[in-house]
Amino acid sequence: DTGVSQNPRHKITKRGQNVTFRCDPISEHNRLYWYRQTLGQGPEFLTYFQNEAQLEKSRLLSDRFSAERPKGSFSTLEIQRTEQGDSAMYLCASSGGSYNSPLHFGNGTRLTVT
Amino acid sequence: AQSVTQPDIHITVSEGASLELRCNYSYGATPYLFWYVQSPGQGLQLLLKYFSGDTLVQGIKGFEAEFKRSQSSFNLRKPSVHWSDAAEYFCAVLAPAGNKLTFGGGTRVLVKP
Repeated sequence: DTGVSQNPRHKITKRGQNVTFRCDPISEHNRLYWYRQTLGQGPEFLTYFQNEAQLEKSRLLSDRFSAERPKGSFSTLEIQRTEQGDSAMYLCASSGGSYNSPLHFGNGTRLTVT
Repeated sequence: AQSVTQPDIHITVSEGASLELRCNYSYGATPYLFWYVQSPGQGLQLLLKYFSGDTLVQGIKGFEAEFKRSQSSFNLRKPSVHWSDAAEYFCAVLAPAGNKLTFGGGTRVLVKP
């Protein structure tokens, strides 16, 4: 169990640029989640995959955001035409077994949009 | 919609003193309940969870939490705080048959020597 891995750890980009983050879940976990966390707040749900199927998306996930999980393994989160309001920590988590199994979180990708 | 409230944004406690963090939830049925801890620049680590049964649950690092249905609360406690417990603590709920955790706003704990 090597844990959930997220890359990069930090990303600084200029407004209007596109960015992509990667998440490698724990290998046997079939569920994968993306959350966003702004300073002083709790994580907010963005989207959820079971294997390769994206089963739920938050209203927070505007059409500039897209997530994929090809082959049900790693996942990517892309933000197009970044805005300063996108600056946040993006957390990935995975779980296996039953639906109420605890989530295992990665250390996150901190995005700063200048 | 389900919600989670952590009334205390910051708590300062002396090392060796006891700690209690409050969590209240709003949901029609009893959800599954979790406490996570986040150290600076890190992801979240699960401290403990409650699904059913004994309302006092034990977790890692000497933490425990008590579920009180009548108060819709799930407060976290530790009898004696260590300096390494300085972190942010999040309460979270999962609806039965739900897909996503809903987190409270967090409580930041500062430990005085």
